[in-house]
Amino acid sequence: EVQLVESGGGLVKPGGSLRLSCAASGFTFSSYSMNWVRQAPGKGLEWVSSISSSSSYIYYADSVKGRFTISRDNAKNSLYLQMNSLRAEDTAVYYCASEGYTKGRWFDPWGQGTLVTVSS
Amino acid sequence: QSVLTQPPSVSAAPGQKVTISCSGSSSNIGNNYVSWYQQLPGTAPKLLIYDNNKRPSGIPDRFSGSKSGTSATLGITGLQTGDEADYYCGTWDSSLSAGGVFGTGTKVTVL
Repeated sequence: EVQLVESGGGLVKPGGSLRLSCAASGFTFSSYSMNWVRQAPGKGLEWVSSISSSSSYIYYADSVKGRFTISRDNAKNSLYLQMNSLRAEDTAVYYCASEGYTKGRWFDPWGQGTLVTVSS
Repeated sequence: QSVLTQPPSVSAAPGQKVTISCSGSSSNIGNNYVSWYQQLPGTAPKLLIYDNNKRPSGIPDRFSGSKSGTSATLGITGLQTGDEADYYCGTWDSSLSAGGVFGTGTKVTVL
């Protein structure tokens, strides 16, 4: 069964740091680009960052550029998101999602999400 | 910040049809393929449509997608109570950020 399981969320003070992890199983993790997508409480989806299969290509949303760092360890089938200088507006459920592609690109599957709360 | 515009809500009776529009620009929908996601209450999003109009295995043919110019549409026929959810369109942006973009989301209510 294809599965993505996020961990590492929690309560952190403004200006603090947190590292999210995403464990993949059931598919050849090293062959796929991976993404982080977040959803603030009661709000819509926001793409955060993507990383190619070999980590050669990395992209960030303007809202997190310079503060967040995406990385992966293909030997451990794991994806990471290092979040620094956290702000209240970073409060959200963070999902990891694999990236499928044929003609276009899409997100599938998704993990269950991990909640990050930034508050004093 | 969503750059793709969707209606906040649509509704219909069981068995009826609803359509959800997704409006973008030449830098996103106009030059990229569109996907659609269903998010049931309290759960993670799930892929419904990819490459504008393709359904993954397991997705019933009651769900359909189309694209024209800088807009895309999701159709749901034979509406069921289990279809009550939030629906999001998604694509990629060809600008410098080269990132993913999502629609504002549409809440489907089955009357």
